[in-house]
Amino acid sequence: GDSVTQMEGPVTLSEEAFLTINCTYTATGYPSLFWYVQYPGEGLQLLLKATKADDKGSNKGFEATYRKETTSFHLEKGSVQVSDSAVYFCALSITQGGSEKLVFGKGMKLTVNP
Amino acid sequence: DGGITQSPKYLFRKEGQNVTLSCEQNLNHDAMYWYRQDPGQGLRLIYYSQIVNDFQKGDIAEGYSVSREKKESFPLTVTSAQKNPTAFYLCASSIGAGRGETQYFGPGTRLLVL
Repeated sequence: GDSVTQMEGPVTLSEEAFLTINCTYTATGYPSLFWYVQYPGEGLQLLLKATKADDKGSNKGFEATYRKETTSFHLEKGSVQVSDSAVYFCALSITQGGSEKLVFGKGMKLTVNP
Repeated sequence: DGGITQSPKYLFRKEGQNVTLSCEQNLNHDAMYWYRQDPGQGLRLIYYSQIVNDFQKGDIAEGYSVSREKKESFPLTVTSAQKNPTAFYLCASSIGAGRGETQYFGPGTRLLVL
């Protein structure tokens, strides 16, 4: 079935370090791909998305490119800040029962130290 | 401000008791969703609704029930049949259930069993 596999962590980085969070997916058809972020004690917020192959989503210095050939959507940021400490979820949307539904990876906890 | 509200923030359930989690949105969204989040397992879909007076089971619907009598409201009842209800519950909504639609999440309700 459709699924998402992502780095699970936890990961601890120093401020200004480079961040990569790997995400690969298995899906029939052409899903849309998402990165959501969850700050402590809160719900999820959309970080970025891409709806077709070779699309690049970007927001707040984060980027991810939809790679159909490698079925990947890796998240990157060149210089992380303490405020980026959160849990990051990769997700894909699939059509089931006539509507789109999200399938999430297990999430990766990132801690950034000053 | 437009958004999704969930109440209460914390909820305690006694053995054999049904409890209802509230979810309200003023975004004029047609589609609404309920997810369960357990540590290390990401989010799993419980129920979703594409339109008023209609809803479908997600991947883990057993022990839960929902209603969608109003566009802005999608309450979730955790019944006594749900044997392991302790989790973080997240409600989400989207404009529709079409391809690539972004889901917007509420702040969540943490349910604990006494």
